[in-house]
Amino acid sequence: GAGVSQSPRYKVTKRGQDVALRCDPISGHVSLYWYRQALGQGPEFLTYFNYEAQQDKSGLPNDRFSAERPEGSISTLTIQRTEQRDSAMYRCASSSTSYEQYFGPGTRLTVT
Amino acid sequence: EDQVTQSPEALRLQEGESSSLNCSYTVSGLRGLFWYRQDPGKGPEFLFTLYSAGEEKEKERLKATLTKKESFLHITAPKPEDSATYLCAVQAQNSGYALNFGKGTSLLVTP
Repeated sequence: GAGVSQSPRYKVTKRGQDVALRCDPISGHVSLYWYRQALGQGPEFLTYFNYEAQQDKSGLPNDRFSAERPEGSISTLTIQRTEQRDSAMYRCASSSTSYEQYFGPGTRLTVT
Repeated sequence: EDQVTQSPEALRLQEGESSSLNCSYTVSGLRGLFWYRQDPGKGPEFLFTLYSAGEEKEKERLKATLTKKESFLHITAPKPEDSATYLCAVQAQNSGYALNFGKGTSLLVTP
C-alpha cells in the first residue's frame, strides 16, 4: 500500500518568505507527527496530532512555526518569515493505534 | 531529561563479520525503544519496537535486545546491503508519543 507522502520534496525559498509543507499520512492512520532532521543527526520532534487535534507542540522552535490537520488526514506545517537556520529536512510520520511510526521521504527546505 | 546515546558513530565491517551496535538511554519511564534503518536520501524505515527489559526481536540478520539501560542491535553475517545508518529512539511514558532519537550509527559492510 501507499506510504507516507510529502510535498514538495525540495523547496528553496528566500529569507522572510512563508512556506507550507504538506504531509499525506498512510490511509487510516490516526496519528501524525512532524520532525526536523539535520545532517548527521536523528530526527527531532516538532509536533503531533491525534486525528485533527494537536496533542503536543512542545518541539516547535518558536511561534513562526505552526501546524494543522483540519480534517484528521492531510497536515500542513507552515513556517512564517523563514530564516536561514530553518534550512533542514522536514519529515512527517504517521501511526495507527500501535506505537510504530512510519516516516515519509521528507521535504528538503533551503532558505537563501 | 531523556537522553539517547548511540555508539559507535561509524562502523566498518567485512561481509560476514558479525558485530553489535549500542544504544544507551536514560528516560523517566520507558514506553518503548525503537530501531530504525535509514538509507541515504530516504526516511527512516521501522525495524523493531522493544517494550521491556529482557525482550528480544529478530528479523533476518538483525536481532535487537533490551536491558534497563541499553539496547543492542546485533548484526549476524552482514551483507553489503545492510549498509545504512541505524537509528535508536525512545518513547517516554510522560512525553506523549514523541520519539527521542540518538544520532545514529553509520554502518558500512564491504564485500
